[in-house]
Amino acid sequence: EPEVTQTPSHQVTQMGQEVILRCVPISNHLYFYWYRQILGQKVEFLVSFYNNEISEKSEIFDDQFSVERPDGSNFTLKIRSTKLEDSAMYFCASSELGQGDTEAFFGQGTRLTVV
Amino acid sequence: KNEVEQSPQNLTAQEGEFITINCSYSVGISALHWLQQHPGGGIVSLFMLSSGKKKHGRLIATINIQEKHSSLHITASHPRDSAVYICAAHGSRLTFGEGTQLTVNP
Repeated sequence: EPEVTQTPSHQVTQMGQEVILRCVPISNHLYFYWYRQILGQKVEFLVSFYNNEISEKSEIFDDQFSVERPDGSNFTLKIRSTKLEDSAMYFCASSELGQGDTEAFFGQGTRLTVV
Repeated sequence: KNEVEQSPQNLTAQEGEFITINCSYSVGISALHWLQQHPGGGIVSLFMLSSGKKKHGRLIATINIQEKHSSLHITASHPRDSAVYICAAHGSRLTFGEGTQLTVNP
């Protein structure tokens, strides 16, 4: 069964460092998403991406965040200068159509720890 | 007030019991998702529905658009059903509920 894969599963980084979280969405999917979940809190939407551009972003997704689809398969989330409060589980998801129209498939997540 | 509210927050059941988890939302939606989050953190999509009822194995999801309410039912619950169940409403974006921690004891 096709699945969304995320790497790494766990990343520890020093405050102020840049991190890149990687995702390989399902191959025929057109819509890609990043979510995050701070420990003990609910999942929050970060950004959606379609047709090589951001289609929507939340208030959380400020200038320190960026997304890219550098080739035909990877979808990345970059955090430029990490802060302690960026520590969270980051989930990538993809869907064939928009999430109001088709089911989204989630990756297993990357646990980011900023020290 | 949260746009998506779930109840209960925590639920403990004995194996075999019928489980109901409720979700109310205040936003206009095009679809509602039920998700399962395992202890390791991974998220699995269970259902996406915009009307009526869907069934998959022992899981049943219903939605009442007029009342802005959805329920997830688990029949003949089993310890392996223990997880966090999350509803997420799709308006302009996915808005998640806080989740319901379900524990099914043998």
